[in-house]
Amino acid sequence: KQEVTQIPAALSVPEGENLVLNCSFTDSAIYNLQWFRQDPGKGLTSLLLIQSSQREQTSGRLNASLDKSSGRSTLYIAASQPGDSATYLCAPGGVTGGGNKLTFGTGTQLKVEL
Amino acid sequence: DGGITQSPKYLFRKEGQNVTLSCEQNLNHDAMYWYRQDPGQGLRLIYYSQIVNDFQKGDIAEGYSVSREKKESFPLTVTSAQKNPTAFYLCASSIPHRGSNQPQHFGDGTRLSIL
Repeated sequence: KQEVTQIPAALSVPEGENLVLNCSFTDSAIYNLQWFRQDPGKGLTSLLLIQSSQREQTSGRLNASLDKSSGRSTLYIAASQPGDSATYLCAPGGVTGGGNKLTFGTGTQLKVEL
Repeated sequence: DGGITQSPKYLFRKEGQNVTLSCEQNLNHDAMYWYRQDPGQGLRLIYYSQIVNDFQKGDIAEGYSVSREKKESFPLTVTSAQKNPTAFYLCASSIPHRGSNQPQHFGDGTRLSIL
């Protein structure tokens, strides 16, 4: 059974810092890995999807890397802003019933302070 | 605007009552999913459907039921058999995997509480 761990559970940084969020998973038989953002009381917003054949994916100030063999992914946020404050979730997509079954970590709660 | 609409935003259930959560999408996605989110836990998959008139149990299907009569709709019923229904329920949709990688898109959730 896939298990996903995200470290740290919470993080508070001053505005402008570069930061790294970590995700580890136990089963490397995945098709892809998604990073999401969740604001309080809201649904999830997809940030990046990395296919299992890729090493990294970039969108604006966000860069996600994937090392499938070691069961690790990182989300790098450059020049953090207060608007980046949210919970970040990683979810590897396993090979079950069509390949889109995601297993979620408990997230990293990020606060970016002025 | 394309997206996923969940209603209601807040729902209250009395003991012994069944309640139905609505999820509608206009993204033309074949696959739809229901997740449950509890404080301190990751999202857990309840049911998913890859095509109309077909659905499969996820990891925590007991006490829940679904139907998929239309491509755009995937309602979730929380039955009286679900003894701990208080949670935040999230619906998602995607193009099914079938050899490609497609992200899942989420609605804004329904918060269910017990009276």
